[in-house]
Parts: sequence; C-alpha cells; structure tokens
Amino acid sequence: KAGVTQTPRYLIKTRGQQVTLSCSPISGHRSVSWYQQTPGQGLQFLFEYFSETQRNKGNFPGRFSGRQFSNSRSEMNVSTLELGDSALYLCASSLEPADSNQPQHFGDGTRLSIL
Amino acid sequence: GESVGLHLPTLSVQEGDNSIINCAYSNSASDYFIWYKQESGKGPQFIIDIRSNMDKRQGQRVTVLLNKTVKHLSLQIAATQPGDSAVYFCAENVRGGRQGGKLIFGQGTELSVKP
Repeated sequence: KAGVTQTPRYLIKTRGQQVTLSCSPISGHRSVSWYQQTPGQGLQFLFEYFSETQRNKGNFPGRFSGRQFSNSRSEMNVSTLELGDSALYLCASSLEPADSNQPQHFGDGTRLSIL
Repeated sequence: GESVGLHLPTLSVQEGDNSIINCAYSNSASDYFIWYKQESGKGPQFIIDIRSNMDKRQGQRVTVLLNKTVKHLSLQIAATQPGDSAVYFCAENVRGGRQGGKLIFGQGTELSVKP
C-alpha cells in the first residue's frame, strides 16, 4: 500500500509570492492534517480536513489555507510568503477524523525555502 | 501554552543496549498518545501508540509506558541498533473544542547509537 505522497519535495519561492502544496493520503484514508516543522518551533498543527470539511485549525494567520477534494487529496496554500514561512510542511492521513484516536501517518514533506 | 516536552534532547547509547526516551505531556484530558521516529530527510514514522485506558503497550522491540498520574510517557527500545538512530517525538492527540483533533508534539530526542 502506497504511503502518503507529498509534492513537490522541494520548492524555492521569494517573498510576496504564493505557493500550493499537494498531499495524496494513503488509499482509503479520509482525514488529512497538515503540520509545519521548523528548528525553532518544532512540529505545529496547521489544519485538519475530513470529508472536504475543515474540522480544526491551528494558530496560523489567514495566509495559510487549505482544502480537501472528494477523493481525499488535499492542498494547502500560503499567500504573500514571508521569510519565516521557510519550513518543512508535512501532511498526515488517517482512516477516520483526528479526534477518533487513530494513528496519523506522515508523508516525507515539502521543503519550502523563501528567499 | 500547549506543550509536550521531552526531558533529554540527546541520548547516546551503545549498540545492543536498551534505550529509554522520556516525555511529559501537559493536557490531562488527552487520551491518545503516539511515538514517532524521524530520520533525516524523511517525515515522522509511526512507531507505537497507546490509549489512556492502558498503562503499557508492547510492539516489536519497543514498549510504551503511560503514567497518567504524573502525565508522563516513555518509549523503551530493546537491543538498540544503529538503524534506530533518529529523532524521536512523542505526541498527544488533543481534541478540538467542538470537533476535530490535532497532535501536539514534543521537542524531540535525538538518539545516537554507537557501534
């Protein structure tokens, strides 16, 4: 069974641009969560989607947004990029919603660098 | 604020020894916990989970212990191997206000195995 797939693996952008990251969950998984990982802040929750609905959102500005499609694939978008947005963005999927206490399985992330 | 903290940021062990990685969590209402292993350039890999109605769970060469009284988790790795070298994170699953959930991660412990 294929794992969580994230594309692209690496991305370089400049300040002020916007970016879209993609995540394909494990087949059959309907919940997708996004996390940001930085050396200073560690792993921080961005948002969770289940059945195309955002169920939970972390403490990030409105420049960070996401969506989920009917096939459970998800995208996240960051607008007006700032230097501090440089990070590893991780996607995790699970069979059921994140509050159902089932393991979340992660992809290898998209490394976003802002110049 | 919200936090799941690790007592030791680095741990160095001899190959074949047992390793113990500790973690303190802050939310007494959390009822599900996960340990992840993250190797360089990869996303977190699920190792083992435990629900709050248990105090011990065993997997292949790994054991997780949960002490709800003092809000403490530990991961024990038996007969540590060089391939176990990685950063280990504990995470607690925190439910959202009305729905949804999110993982709150500890800062991570880097395990180094000496041959």
